[in-house]
Amino acid sequence: NAGVMQNPRHLVRRRGQEARLRCSPMKGHSHVYWYRQLPEEGLKFMVYLQKENIIDESGMPKERFSAEFPKEGPSILRIQQVVRGDSAAYFCASSPPGTGTGTYEQYFGPGTRLTVT
Amino acid sequence: SQQGEEDPQALSIQEGENATMNCSYKTSINNLQWYRQNSGRGLVHLILIRSNEREKHSGRLRVTLDTSKKSSSLLITASRAADTASYFCATEDTGFQKLVFGTGTRLLVSP
Repeated sequence: NAGVMQNPRHLVRRRGQEARLRCSPMKGHSHVYWYRQLPEEGLKFMVYLQKENIIDESGMPKERFSAEFPKEGPSILRIQQVVRGDSAAYFCASSPPGTGTGTYEQYFGPGTRLTVT
Repeated sequence: SQQGEEDPQALSIQEGENATMNCSYKTSINNLQWYRQNSGRGLVHLILIRSNEREKHSGRLRVTLDTSKKSSSLLITASRAADTASYFCATEDTGFQKLVFGTGTRLLVSP
């Protein structure tokens, strides 16, 4: 049973380019979360999605960042016109259906390390 | 803003010693979870304690939760060099799904 998969593991982009990060949740999981981790810091919530729906995007920057979780395929975190400050590790997590009863565990992927040069 | 604050920020001990890390948070929670992160890697879930629980054990791990003080502690007994990692507490706030992470404790266990 494969865990949460993220690709690419490392991504280098020049300023102004677009970055696309992919996350495939664990089999049977329908809830996806994206977090960002700056060096030497804890993770910060960005967005929570279910299939075809954004449930909570309170942690997403207002501009340049978007996320989707289509009916088929992985969840995508898209960063347009990247800047140096976007350099960070981006982690995806998933949880099973029924999440929302107040007690659940999120399973994390290995992360994508984005470097903006 | 960060919900949890871990204390200490860094901890260095010898193999065989116990390691205690503390976490404080600010709001009402459904549960509190502890995660481990090895350098440059993803997070590994260690243990979840519900808001109505006071103590939980898992192998060499012992977690306590004091909701009146809004604090939790993680105890690792008989530490091993392989326990070297960063440890984060994360809270699930009441009514929300997202996890709010603390700043982490970097644990170094020397052989």
